Amino acid sequence: AQRVTQPEKLLSVFKGAPVELKCNYSYSGSPELFWYVQYSRQRLQLLLRHISRESIKGFTADLNKGETSFHLKKPFAQEEDSAMYYCALVYGGATNKLIFGTGTLLAVQP
Amino acid sequence: NAGVTQTPKFRVLKTGQSMTLLCAQDMNHEYMYWYRQDPGMGLRLIHYSVGEGTTAKGEVPDGYNVSRLKKQNFLLGLESAAPSQTSVYFCASSPPGSSGRNEQFFGPGTRLTVL
Repeated sequence: AQRVTQPEKLLSVFKGAPVELKCNYSYSGSPELFWYVQYSRQRLQLLLRHISRESIKGFTADLNKGETSFHLKKPFAQEEDSAMYYCALVYGGATNKLIFGTGTLLAVQP
Repeated sequence: NAGVTQTPKFRVLKTGQSMTLLCAQDMNHEYMYWYRQDPGMGLRLIHYSVGEGTTAKGEVPDGYNVSRLKKQNFLLGLESAAPSQTSVYFCASSPPGSSGRNEQFFGPGTRLTVL
């Protein structure tokens, strides 16, 4: 069965430090992965998707099929990056269903 | 465009009461979803719909029913609320088809407390 694992509930870093939010997945098919972010008092929104190989707000994520990982990285954290981050995997064929990890709360200290 | 909206924003129920949560989207999306968000568990899919008049069960459907009578609306019902259904409920919509480009768009959430 498909599964998404985010091992860290909380990641606390200082402003300017590098950030890596871990995500591992288990899926028998070809994976399609997303990172969603939820800022305080805001709705969940897409941060980036692996298929686009994009960098959004300085964040990047590379799909590593060998390690079944899709870690989110940013070289220099900013205070405004503080939020809850969710890794999500598409499953269920054409239904576009998502299975989410349990989320990691990123706290960037000044 | 309002995107995805949810009504109500907050609700407190007593055990055994019923209620309906309304989700509306103005993006003409075919697909709609209901999730619940609980601490330490992330978001879990309750029910979903791939088109008007169709619904299907997700990961945690027990105790909930849904209806999609109009393309733009997706209703989530609790017939007899239980304390275990205390949660934040999110609705989402997306274009049809499976694609790594088809993001889901989320509503602001409904915070439900069952006493």
